[in-house]
Amino acid sequence: KAGVTQTPRYLIKTRGQQVTLSCSPISGHRSVSWYQQTPGQGLQFLFEYFSETQRNKGNFPGRFSGRQFSNSRSEMNVSTLELGDSALYLCASSLGQPYQPQHFGDGTRLSIL
Amino acid sequence: AQKITQTQPGMFVQEKEAVTLDCTYDTSDPSYGLFWYKQPSSGEMIFLIYQGSYDQQNATEGRYSLNFQKARKSANLVISASQLGDSAMYFCAMREGGYSGGGADGLTFGKGTHLIIQP
Repeated sequence: KAGVTQTPRYLIKTRGQQVTLSCSPISGHRSVSWYQQTPGQGLQFLFEYFSETQRNKGNFPGRFSGRQFSNSRSEMNVSTLELGDSALYLCASSLGQPYQPQHFGDGTRLSIL
Repeated sequence: AQKITQTQPGMFVQEKEAVTLDCTYDTSDPSYGLFWYKQPSSGEMIFLIYQGSYDQQNATEGRYSLNFQKARKSANLVISASQLGDSAMYFCAMREGGYSGGGADGLTFGKGTHLIIQP
C-alpha cells in the first residue's frame, strides 16, 4: 500500500511570495491533517480536512489555508510568505476516527530567503 | 501549561538494553488518545503505538510497549532490546475529545527525546 506522498520535497521561496504544497493520502483515508515543524516551536497542528471540509484548525494566521478534493488529496497554501514560515510541513492521513493513528508523509521542507 | 511534557531532551543507551522514554500529559477531557512517533534524521514521522484513555491494558507493538499510568497522567514508551536503527527523535502526542459535533483537535506533540543507541 502506497504511503502518504507530499510534493515537492524541497522548496525555496522569497518573502512576500505564496506557495502551494500538495499531499496525497493513503488510499481509503479520508482525513488529511497538516503540521508545521520548526526547531523553536516544534510540531504544531495547522488544520484537518475530512470529506472536503475543514474539520479543525490550529492557531495559525489566515495566510495559511488549505483545501481537500473529492479524491481526498489536499493542498496547503501560504500567502505573503515570511521568514518565520521556514519549516518542515508534514501531512498526515487517517481513516478519520479521532483515535486512529495518523500516518505521515516525508514532508516538504520550505525555506524562505 | 504544556499539554505534553517530555523531560529527556537526549538519551544515550547501549545496544540491546531496554529504554524508557518519559511522557506526561495534561488534560481535563476524559476521552483522549496517546500516540508515540519516531522521526529518524531523514524527517518522516513513523507511528509506533497508541493508547486510548479507556483502554484497560497497556498497549504493545512488537518491541514497543506503552506504560500507561492514568492517575499519574503518564504514558512512557518502553523499547525492549534496543537496536542501532532505533536512534531517532521520539515524540509523544495526544489527541483530545471525540466527534461530538465540534470535532476533535489535531495531535498535540511534546518537544521530543533524541535517542542515540551506541554499539
